[in-house]
Amino acid sequence: DAGVTQSPTHLIKTRGQHVTLRCSPISGHKSVSWYQQVLGQGPQFIFQYYEKEERGRGNFPDRFSARQFPNYSSELNVNALLLGDSALYLCASSLGGASYEQYFGPGTRLTVT
Amino acid sequence: AQKITQTQPGMFVQEKEAVTLDCTYDTSDPSYGLFWYKQPSSGEMIFLIYQGSYDQQNATEGRYSLNFQKARKSANLVISASQLGDSAMYFCAMREWGRGGSNYKLTFGKGTLLTVNP
Repeated sequence: DAGVTQSPTHLIKTRGQHVTLRCSPISGHKSVSWYQQVLGQGPQFIFQYYEKEERGRGNFPDRFSARQFPNYSSELNVNALLLGDSALYLCASSLGGASYEQYFGPGTRLTVT
Repeated sequence: AQKITQTQPGMFVQEKEAVTLDCTYDTSDPSYGLFWYKQPSSGEMIFLIYQGSYDQQNATEGRYSLNFQKARKSANLVISASQLGDSAMYFCAMREWGRGGSNYKLTFGKGTLLTVNP
């Protein structure tokens, strides 16, 4: 079975630009979460979606937005990129409900210049 | 206050020896779960082991065991018989269920870089 997939793998953007990151969860998983991992730190929670509804939001500015599609895939959008947005963006999927395990994808490494 | 504290930025261990990675946590929620993840240099977070706050026994998964001391709010990871492939960043994380039982957010510590020497 395929694991969590994310695209693109790497991305270089300029300050002020917009970026869209994509995530496909494991088949049958209905919950997707997004995390930002700055170099040298642990991942920080950005968003969680379950059954296409936002269920949680971390302490990130409104420049960050996300959505989940009917097939449970998800997009993370970041507007007006800042140098500080450079990070590894991780997507995690889970069954949802009482299931506790979250399975992470390989991440998208975003560099803002 | 930090919810998850990992006080060891780096640890070294000889191949085939055991190593303990420390993790303390802070929560007032009676229902929570503690996780350990391994992150190799490739970046992917690999789930290792889970301990629920109501679990009576310490969790074990192969060479990994979790030393759960609830009163001290610690959840240390023990890796037995270290292998060269164990060299990686290790993160402790917590999920607090809350009253609604629908909080899927994981809160991570800053990690410990484990190096296994031959």
